[in-house]
Amino acid sequence: QSVLTQPPSASGTPGQRVTISCSGSSSNIGGNYVQWFQQLPGTAPKLLIYGNNKRPSGVPDRFSASKSGTSASLAISGLRSEDEADYYCAAWDDRLSGSYVFGTGTTVTV
Amino acid sequence: QITLKESGPTLVKPTETLTLTCSFSGFSLDSTSVGVGWIRQPPGKALEWLAVIYWDDDARYSPSLQSRLTITKDTSKNHVVLTMTNMDPGDTATYYCAHRRGADYNYDLWGQGTLVSVSS
Repeated sequence: QSVLTQPPSASGTPGQRVTISCSGSSSNIGGNYVQWFQQLPGTAPKLLIYGNNKRPSGVPDRFSASKSGTSASLAISGLRSEDEADYYCAAWDDRLSGSYVFGTGTTVTV
Repeated sequence: QITLKESGPTLVKPTETLTLTCSFSGFSLDSTSVGVGWIRQPPGKALEWLAVIYWDDDARYSPSLQSRLTITKDTSKNHVVLTMTNMDPGDTATYYCAHRRGADYNYDLWGQGTLVSVSS
């Protein structure tokens, strides 16, 4: 059961900007780094954002992210058809012995 | 170039133990801060983190599955093995292993995944 809450869906037309929220708590987002993953249909997830707001090499700068308190968000600007995918936020959670938690996932439709 | 690949049975029976192997190349699990984790995804559902093992042999588990999981590494063979006991049809999922580069850089590279079905 995911402890990071995301909206189930988001949509936009080509060229628009779409934002996805991720709500957590002080034990996860509030005190640890946030990652974002993109999962295209039928493929393995791909790291999109690490360290709250950094892009791995090769990820377009159309993707940006931020964190504030116990929430985070991912923005996709200049939306393209190939951005149609599932997006997950994730973070380490310090409760108990520590574990990694994923968000509930958001399906972006273009 | 870092690659990871999962292997194991595609079908297991309820109550059986699942053993999955993650074979990797392009990095050493002896290097500081490096780890390999396992994540699964039931059909049509969200990602669920299972476990991670680090370069220093420290291992962490999902609290809800901890009693059923064991993760080990064989650095000489570049393998990480995950065992899950008492399999149930609800454990049917695609199982992924992934490389962890650091505390802020989790799961930057993933294997292709392997679908495991649990059925009698």
